Amino acid sequence: AQSVAQPEDQVNVAEGNPLTVKCTYSVSGNPYLFWYVQYPNRGLQFLLKYITGDNLVKGSYGFEAEFNKSQTSFHLKKPSALVSDSALYFCAVSNQGGKLIFGQGTELSVKP
Amino acid sequence: GAGVSQSPSNKVTEKGKDVELRCDPISGHTALYWYRQRLGQGLEFLIYFQGNSAPDKSGLPSDRFSAERTGESVSTLTIQRTQQEDSAVYLCASSFGSSRAGETQYFGPGTRLLVL
Repeated sequence: AQSVAQPEDQVNVAEGNPLTVKCTYSVSGNPYLFWYVQYPNRGLQFLLKYITGDNLVKGSYGFEAEFNKSQTSFHLKKPSALVSDSALYFCAVSNQGGKLIFGQGTELSVKP
Repeated sequence: GAGVSQSPSNKVTEKGKDVELRCDPISGHTALYWYRQRLGQGLEFLIYFQGNSAPDKSGLPSDRFSAERTGESVSTLTIQRTQQEDSAVYLCASSFGSSRAGETQYFGPGTRLLVL
């Protein structure tokens, strides 16, 4: 069965510092991995995805993620955090067209 | 162009009543998905429509839940005899639906359902 784990419920960083939000997955076959962000009382916004090719994927708002097949991880990163990055972040996986399996989400808090 | 829209944005109902939630996908998107997000939790898949194929209903939690889609347009999620545990945000998403793996799904703002 497919599954996604986000081991941290909350990540706190200071503005200007690098941030990492962790995600590991379990899937049979080739994984297709996604990151979405959810601001309060809003729907999910797509950030980036890994399908194939380069393991480092660049996405919206300066975010990037690195696919690591041996560690079955897809951690989200940003070199310099902004206060406006504070939100709820979801990792998701799909190994075929169709439904996404989501992690439980990680609350990112960036303090000035 | 316009994104995915959902209505109503908020719905308060009494236990035992039926509710209908509506989703308008992005024009041209043939795939449509419903998810449920309970407070403090991740998203749970409910149902998936792809073109004229039979929908994937594997995520529906009980027979009180059903959904329909008119062609490649609007979808309605119906919850009959609502229970308090149905309280959640119901999110709709759509994608091009070309059957390529890894298609991006675009989400609507959700309907926040509260069952009293």
